[in-house]
Amino acid sequence: GAVVSQHPSRVICKSGTSVKIECRSLDFQATTMFWYRQFPKKSLMLMATSNEGSKATYEQGVEKDKFLINHASLTLSTLTVTSAHPEDSSFYICSARDRGLGWNYGYTFGSGTRLTVV
Amino acid sequence: GEDVEQSLFLSVREGDSSVINCTYTDSSSTYLYWYKQEPGAGLQLLTYIFSNMDMKQDQRLTVLLNKKDKHLSLRIADTQTGDSAIYFCAETPNTDKLIFGTGTRLQVFP
Repeated sequence: GAVVSQHPSRVICKSGTSVKIECRSLDFQATTMFWYRQFPKKSLMLMATSNEGSKATYEQGVEKDKFLINHASLTLSTLTVTSAHPEDSSFYICSARDRGLGWNYGYTFGSGTRLTVV
Repeated sequence: GEDVEQSLFLSVREGDSSVINCTYTDSSSTYLYWYKQEPGAGLQLLTYIFSNMDMKQDQRLTVLLNKKDKHLSLRIADTQTGDSAIYFCAETPNTDKLIFGTGTRLQVFP
């Protein structure tokens, strides 16, 4: 089945620095990947849609200059949190859909990245 | 709109059935999904239902869909402690995006 690998699983960084999170589709090509943010005990909020070879599409209210998304290949999307601040601390999850499979296979999720900004 | 709502919390005794409810507002969704999230982990697809179906059963899981009321439910038979997790319903409102419900925390006690 489709597998999505996300790294790192946990990161602690100092306020003002940047952090990069990687999302890889291991056994399929993903022209589109999705980045979500999850606050404690809350639902997943879609941040942006990452499109291979073109600009990401950001949801309303998400700062594109702060959350940089790059989708340079069919198997890799990265999310960079720039000039991180404590309020950026959250659980970030990526997902992708293997278009070679039917809709009944749904979307595959990475295992998530817990970001803590101190 | 794309609001998908769920009750926040459900507590059941081991061996009983659990029913998790979901109400959505966008009737254009072709597929509706149920995902499970264990603490500190990503999401695991449990099951799905196509919009032209009323019911789907998959082992211990039964999904009911009432399109008229935009209501989706997930029934877990013979609930086990390993079923304790957060459950999210999700829809795809005529786009490639997946919109999640607010999540229901299921706690199973002995």
